[in-house]
Amino acid sequence: AQSVTQLDSQVPVFEEAPVELRCNYSSSVSVYLFWYVQYPNQGLQLLLKYLSGSTLVKGINGFEAEFNKSQTSFHLRKPSVHISDTAEYFCAVSPFNTNAGKSTFGDGTTLTVKP
Amino acid sequence: ETGVTQTPRHLVMGMTNKKSLKCEQHLGHNAMYWYKQSAKKPLELMFVYSLEERVENNSVPSRFSPECPNSSHLFLHLHTLQPEDSALYLCASSPPGTDTQYFGPGTRLTVL
Repeated sequence: AQSVTQLDSQVPVFEEAPVELRCNYSSSVSVYLFWYVQYPNQGLQLLLKYLSGSTLVKGINGFEAEFNKSQTSFHLRKPSVHISDTAEYFCAVSPFNTNAGKSTFGDGTTLTVKP
Repeated sequence: ETGVTQTPRHLVMGMTNKKSLKCEQHLGHNAMYWYKQSAKKPLELMFVYSLEERVENNSVPSRFSPECPNSSHLFLHLHTLQPEDSALYLCASSPPGTDTQYFGPGTRLTVL
């Protein structure tokens, strides 16, 4: 079994400021890690994923995340946010070599970028 | 655009109506999912189909009935719904292996 905790339900930041959205997970097996973004009135869209290799993963729209196995974390970062980054962000984990339907999603973090 | 489409995008129905939600993907994925997303609640996995067989049914009331006629299409048949069933219903699909999910835009359902 696995669980995902997104530590902040809401993160307000000003435009051009850096941001970090925190995600911790627990699992008894090795996992793949994902961040998804949901813009208002839309479905979720894959932002980035960690499968293996370098622990720093770069995604779309200038976002990146770092996998930290010892701290079981996968925090999402962006050095300078835009108004258009206002959205809901979901962290998710999935066991290695999984069958379908085994992903676990966090509760989401609402990022609000203010002018 | 993720390559997963859903119709209709918006649906208003009475409690005695019968309606169906449709999801379609031509990405060659072999798994498809229905999720329910309500305000102020976590994403809820409802059903999973893998290779057209249902592999997950998370204690969903029988008034929701899924159907997967082939690997590209997924339906959610609705009947005698309750107002608390009002939500955004999301479809997703994934290729084999990593469970990376590709979501449709959702159907906003309102039950009166």
